[in-house]
Amino acid sequence: ETGVTQTPRHLVMGMTNKKSLKCEQHLGHNAMYWYKQSAKKPLELMFVYNFKEQTENNSVPSRFSPECPNSSHLFLHLHTLQPEDSALYLCASSQDLGGARASNTIYFGEGSWLTVV
Amino acid sequence: TQLLEQSPQFLSIQEGENLTVYCNSSSVFSSLQWYRQEPGEGPVLLVTVVTGGEVKKLKRLTFQFGDARKDSSLHITAAQPGDTGLYLCAVIDNYGQNFVFGPGTRLSVLP
Repeated sequence: ETGVTQTPRHLVMGMTNKKSLKCEQHLGHNAMYWYKQSAKKPLELMFVYNFKEQTENNSVPSRFSPECPNSSHLFLHLHTLQPEDSALYLCASSQDLGGARASNTIYFGEGSWLTVV
Repeated sequence: TQLLEQSPQFLSIQEGENLTVYCNSSSVFSSLQWYRQEPGEGPVLLVTVVTGGEVKKLKRLTFQFGDARKDSSLHITAAQPGDTGLYLCAVIDNYGQNFVFGPGTRLSVLP
């Protein structure tokens, strides 16, 4: 059982739909992340939250809207997506932001496979 | 340019063979992590190395952090089909804030 849980695992949506991805971490971590992983690119950082405050928006289009109501939950709201947004969306958490400690590590959920048709 | 480079990009070997994959950078890091990602799943942490020259072993996997803390290697002895996956190295970026991942080495171990 993973300490980071993502739902749904698979999502198919039309370009005019609105949907949300949900992430919950049970590790007591303070930082949470959204990453995008597509077939031909490395893991791309999208958003970072620390103590539920956004600290990083990596030039992500506004059709992706994150929400972090508390340190344990993270959402990614999706609207008017495009087919090239189809990818594996990974949620992750870490005790603190990256450089807080040399041994700081990041833990991932199993991902949400998104297909935009 | 990417902060981390990994080689080889793809590797296909027979069960029982040994292999080494590499993670390289021109920057110095305080620590480095290795992850394995199986198809359809999220990456799972294998090891964290923090000291230059450090060697850590995890069953048949041996991880080494370069003396200058700019590179790392992962050696697998007697590979098994269960070792198949994407191997990712990761570091903290130069601003000390975020985790940055290499492009990965995709390993396929054939029975």
